[in-house]
Amino acid sequence: SQTIHQWPATLVQPVGSPLSLECTVEGTSNPNLYWYRQAAGRGLQLLFYSVGIGQISSEVPQNLSASRPQDRQFILSSKKLLLSDSGFYLCAWSVGRRVGYEQYFGPGTRLTVT
Amino acid sequence: GEDVEQSLFLSVREGDSSVINCTYTDSSSTYLYWYKQEPGAGLQLLTYIFSNMDMKQDQRLTVLLNKKDKHLSLRIADTQTGDSAIYFCAEAETGRRALTFGSGTRLQVQP
Repeated sequence: SQTIHQWPATLVQPVGSPLSLECTVEGTSNPNLYWYRQAAGRGLQLLFYSVGIGQISSEVPQNLSASRPQDRQFILSSKKLLLSDSGFYLCAWSVGRRVGYEQYFGPGTRLTVT
Repeated sequence: GEDVEQSLFLSVREGDSSVINCTYTDSSSTYLYWYKQEPGAGLQLLTYIFSNMDMKQDQRLTVLLNKKDKHLSLRIADTQTGDSAIYFCAEAETGRRALTFGSGTRLQVQP
């Protein structure tokens, strides 16, 4: 069966500090991977998606970047955090030719920028 | 552009049925989903319906789709306190690489 891991679970970082959040998927090959942000318990905003190693698409301009160094690893980064980067970050995966079909989510990372 | 809307809050008594509603705007939607999010956790896929279906039932869950009105609903029969959570509807469009989520409906189940 497939599982998705995210770490850390919670993070408190000062403004201007760097960020690295990691997501890994087990039990599947060549998944589509996604980073979402959920602000204040509201809806989800898609930040990045990837259909393969080194292939990253950005949905919205922002202070964040993403990388996919391995097939089942997706990393969300920032060089300098802003207060507005606080939120709940969710990684998700899907498989199949139809991208976006049946996404499965990780447990999330709660980021507080102080 | 695509837009998915949900009411913010629903309160029901334990044992009653809950109906959570969702409207979407994009007629090219292929699949529509319901996800459940418990406090501090990720989203759990509950069920989905293909756009050429009107209804799908899965144990206590019934999904109704009115494609003409672009209206989707999730009915939870015999609602339990463990059903208290935020419920998100989401749509997938042909060729789009991600889901578009509604803002979520917080379901509160009173004992």
